[in-house]
Amino acid sequence: DTEVTQTPKHLVMGMTNKKSLKCEQHMGHRAMYWYKQKAKKPPELMFVYSYEKLSINESVPSRFSPECPNSSLLNLHLHALQPEDSALYLCASAQTSGGRNEQYFGPGTRLTVT
Amino acid sequence: GENVEQHPSTLSVQEGDSAVIKCTYSDSASNYFPWYKQELGKGPQLIIDIRSNVGEKKDQRIAVTLNKTAKHFSLHITETQPEDSAVYFCAARIYNFNKFYFGSGTKLNVKP
Repeated sequence: DTEVTQTPKHLVMGMTNKKSLKCEQHMGHRAMYWYKQKAKKPPELMFVYSYEKLSINESVPSRFSPECPNSSLLNLHLHALQPEDSALYLCASAQTSGGRNEQYFGPGTRLTVT
Repeated sequence: GENVEQHPSTLSVQEGDSAVIKCTYSDSASNYFPWYKQELGKGPQLIIDIRSNVGEKKDQRIAVTLNKTAKHFSLHITETQPEDSAVYFCAARIYNFNKFYFGSGTKLNVKP
C-alpha cells in the first residue's frame, strides 16, 4: 500500500482564521514533506521532517507552522494567511534508508484564502 | 544545489504515437530519478523511477533511460492513449539527502 491521505480535500478560510491540514501515511516512511503547488507549476518544497524532527524549512513565512506528532502523522497549521497563499497543498512521504528512495504524494488540499 | 531542467513544456501527440520527455540535472551526486504523472485536481503519482546504477528501466508502455555522463534522463511512452494526457514531472534526489528537485513539468496531450 502506497497511500498518503490528506484532509480536508478543500478548505476556504478568511485571512483571520486558524485552520489545520492533516496528513497520514502507514508505509513506515520516516521522511514527511509539505509542498505548495500553484497552477501549472511543479510542487514547491516547504518543510521536511526526518524521524519526526524538522530537517528542512525552505524559508516559509511563520503563518505556516508544521507539526509532526508521530511517525505517521503530519500537520500544517495555518494562521493569518494571505490570498496569495491560495494553492494546492501536498503532503508526501519517503523512505530514508535501506536503499529505498520512492516518494509518494497525497491527493492534496485545495486551499482558498478569501 | 541541484538544478533540474525539463523539456518540452507542452507535447501534443496522436493516439498510438510515442512521446518522449527529457530532463537534465546538474549535480553528479544525484542518484535517484523519479517521474510523476499529475492529472487535473490530483496529487502527483509516481509512475516510474531509475537509480544511477541502471541505464534503462521499462514498465509496460513506459520506460526511463539515464545517461550519467551527460546528466540527462528521459521518459518514453509508447502507444500513447488519451488517458496518458496529464502533466508529467521529472525529479532528482541527491544521495542521502531528503530533498527532491523537480523539473518544470510537461503537459502531454494525446489526441484521439
